[in-house]
Amino acid sequence: EAGVAQSPRYKIIEKRQSVAFWCNPISGHATLYWYQQILGQGPKLLIQFQNNGVVDDSQLPKDRFSAERLKGVDSTLKIQPAKLEDSAVYLCASSKRRDQPQHFGDGTRLSIL
Amino acid sequence: AQSVTQLGSHVSVSEGALVLLRCNYSSSVPPYLFWYVQYPNQGLQLLLKYTSAATLVKGINGFEAEFKKSETSFHLTKPSAHMSDAAEYFCAVTPMKTSYDKVIFGPGTSLSVIP
Repeated sequence: EAGVAQSPRYKIIEKRQSVAFWCNPISGHATLYWYQQILGQGPKLLIQFQNNGVVDDSQLPKDRFSAERLKGVDSTLKIQPAKLEDSAVYLCASSKRRDQPQHFGDGTRLSIL
Repeated sequence: AQSVTQLGSHVSVSEGALVLLRCNYSSSVPPYLFWYVQYPNQGLQLLLKYTSAATLVKGINGFEAEFKKSETSFHLTKPSAHMSDAAEYFCAVTPMKTSYDKVIFGPGTSLSVIP
């Protein structure tokens, strides 16, 4: 089966600009996760969707980050405006159900100048 | 609150030597524990998981981990390191049994294998 697809793989922007990341989960996976992984740290959950509803967004900086999952399939994560501390790898993962293993995409590496 | 510590942010071993990556957790109840591996420029892959069945858990690529409740540890080992084992390794815990949900990751240990 095809894995979790993410694009772009790399993005370089200046601070205060906006950026969007896209994730296509494995077909049939109802649960979708967005993680932020800062260099030297483990992934931190930003937001979790169950189908197209938000289950957990407690660690999402809502003043600048937003995410949506239309029709319960693809998802986009947006940052507007970006700050220097947003430089990180953004990982998308999906699972069939919340009690099933997560499958990760290769991530988008974001650099803020 | 659940937390995970990994002693040693960077570990170097010679090819063929024993690999030992340390993980300790804090939890009020026995959690589910995981080890994930991340190769350069890739996402995370599940190596193995502890779900309260056997305390010695075998994973992929010859890795295994032992759950020791008295020490609140879940150290990862491999008898003989291979060059392809060079990667970042994350220990993780979930507070919810029967779930891969709400996974909390440790800071990671970077493994280098010296020829």
